[in-house]
Amino acid sequence: KAGVTQTPRYLIKTRGQQVTLSCSPISGHRSVSWYQQTPGQGLQFLFEYFSETQRNKGNFPGRFSGRQFSNSRSEMNVSTLELGDSALYLCASSSSSGSHEQYFGPGTRLTVT
Amino acid sequence: QKEVEQNSGPLSVPEGAIASLNCTYSDRVSQSFFWYRQYSGKSPELIMSIYSNGDKEDGRFTAQLNKASQYVSLLIRDSQPSDSATYLCAVNSLTGANSKLTFGKGITLSVRP
Repeated sequence: KAGVTQTPRYLIKTRGQQVTLSCSPISGHRSVSWYQQTPGQGLQFLFEYFSETQRNKGNFPGRFSGRQFSNSRSEMNVSTLELGDSALYLCASSSSSGSHEQYFGPGTRLTVT
Repeated sequence: QKEVEQNSGPLSVPEGAIASLNCTYSDRVSQSFFWYRQYSGKSPELIMSIYSNGDKEDGRFTAQLNKASQYVSLLIRDSQPSDSATYLCAVNSLTGANSKLTFGKGITLSVRP
């Protein structure tokens, strides 16, 4: 069974721009969670989608948004990029919502200059 | 704010030794506990999950859970240089009607040949 895939793997953007990241979960998994990982803050939860509905949201500003499609693929968008948004963005898929075992994709490394 | 604390590292052990990684959590109603391994430049990989008090063994890995003390640990027996990585403890926590995983900041293990 194929794992979680994320595209693109690397991205360089300028302050003020916006970016869209994509995640395809493991086949049959309906839950996708997004995380931001930085050296100082560790893994921070952004949001979770299950069956196209946002089930939970972390403490991030409204510039961070996401959505999930009927095939369970998910996208997250960051608008008006700031230097502090430079991070590794990880998505994780799970067979069900909540705290069940989550499997991570390879991540998207975003650099904001 | 639900907290997950991992004892400060880095931790260095000689090859063949037992590495003990500890984690405490603040949410008394947490039900699911996970250990992830993250190699440098890679995404986290799920290595153990535990849901009940006691020990759970999987090869050289043993997870131990004590809900009364709000404590979960990971023991790695016969440590190998390939075990050198950052280990993340994750605990489910309830936010309203939903739950999410909260991660500790991780502890870096170095196994000396």
